[in-house]
Amino acid sequence: EPEVTQTPSHQVTQMGQEVILRCVPISNHLYFYWYRQILGQKVEFLVSFYNNEISEKSEIFDDQFSVERPDGSNFTLKIRSTKLEDSAMYFCASSESLSPWETQYFGPGTRLLVL
Amino acid sequence: AQSVAQPEDQVNVAEGNPLTVKCTYSVSGNPYLFWYVQYPNRGLQFLLKYITGDNLVKGSYGFEAEFNKSQTSFHLKKPSALVSDSALYFCAVRDGNSGGYQKVTFGTGTKLQVIP
Repeated sequence: EPEVTQTPSHQVTQMGQEVILRCVPISNHLYFYWYRQILGQKVEFLVSFYNNEISEKSEIFDDQFSVERPDGSNFTLKIRSTKLEDSAMYFCASSESLSPWETQYFGPGTRLLVL
Repeated sequence: AQSVAQPEDQVNVAEGNPLTVKCTYSVSGNPYLFWYVQYPNRGLQFLLKYITGDNLVKGSYGFEAEFNKSQTSFHLKKPSALVSDSALYFCAVRDGNSGGYQKVTFGTGTKLQVIP
């Protein structure tokens, strides 16, 4: 069964450094998402992406965040200057369409620790 | 705005007994409801969803969920729990009539512990 993959599984970085989290969505999916889960808290929406553009973003997704589809398979989340509070599990997801009944399939996550 | 509530942080059930994990939701339009499961150090796995039609939805691993519009609930159920069902369960909703329907809004999660 096709699945979303993410790399790396764990990332440790120093505060102020840039990190890039990578995702390979399911191959025939056109809509991509990033979510994050701070330890012990709920999963929160960050951004959705379609046709090389951000289609929706939350208030969490400020100027230090950016997303990109650099090629036909990868989807990346960049945090330009990491803060301690960026420490979280970051999940990538993808779906076939934007229909509200469409299932979003999630990757295994990248655990980011900012020191 | 869409929201989901999972009133129980943890549910304990004996192996072989039926289990219920509760979820209530709030949307302004039509609700599209999902259950996901998260095993330790793993991602979110899709279990089942309600779109329309039959209020009882069947999903993976023997799980089912009952949609109740009047009570705005979507409780997850299984007739006979297995130890391997022990995990964190998330209820989620998308509002079909909202401009922000792209995002999935998750509940806080319920830890299910099945006791041998």
